[in-house]
Amino acid sequence: QLQLQESGPGLVKPSETLSLTCTVSGGSISSSSYYWGWIRQPPGKGLELIGTIYYRGTTYYNPSLKSRVTISVDTSKNQFSLKLSSVTAADTAVYYCARVNIVAMMDYWGQGTLVTVSS
Amino acid sequence: QSALTQPPSASGSPGQSVTFSCTGTSSDVGAYSYVSWYQQHPGKAPKLLIFEVSKRPSGVPDRFSGSKSGNTASLTVSGLQAEDEADYYCSSYAGSNTRGVFGGGTKLTVL
Repeated sequence: QLQLQESGPGLVKPSETLSLTCTVSGGSISSSSYYWGWIRQPPGKGLELIGTIYYRGTTYYNPSLKSRVTISVDTSKNQFSLKLSSVTAADTAVYYCARVNIVAMMDYWGQGTLVTVSS
Repeated sequence: QSALTQPPSASGSPGQSVTFSCTGTSSDVGAYSYVSWYQQHPGKAPKLLIFEVSKRPSGVPDRFSGSKSGNTASLTVSGLQAEDEADYYCSSYAGSNTRGVFGGGTKLTVL
């Protein structure tokens, strides 16, 4: 059974960079059929796709966040990572990682991790 | 990319049926048969409920069904149960230059 697990600091100061890692187990991140994505959900609000990465490194970023987002992959560790720079309180959210197929279906999700932006 | 439009809330009594709508455009919902629905209970990760408009993953009860007409997709929950009380999100493929767009979610209350 495929499992995804987010990890990283739960508290980030304003203007700093948020960094999270998603570890994939029970399957290979190098599957040719899937992308790997980051999705966030501010408290009490809906889901927002941050971006995706293919195991070969091809990325897609949400245009609204593109200038601040970097997603990378480490196939040797079966992990992919998110960096979001210059964070503000508006970036406070639960961050999820998920497996995404080529037509945007997200079938496996991590449990999510709350990141709070505060000084 | 613009978010898909979902009503913020819906309700029904146990045993009844309720239908949620998800309205997009001719560039997403109307263009492709790749609409997905997700169920999210409080404090939990979203769970895939429906994919490719009307297909159910293994383990999802057949009380959940999906359909699409034009730019609007719909999710129907039949035989409402207390455990169906949750938030429901739709998403749609919108072309090879994107990885999909979400709706704002509908909160289902079982009365």
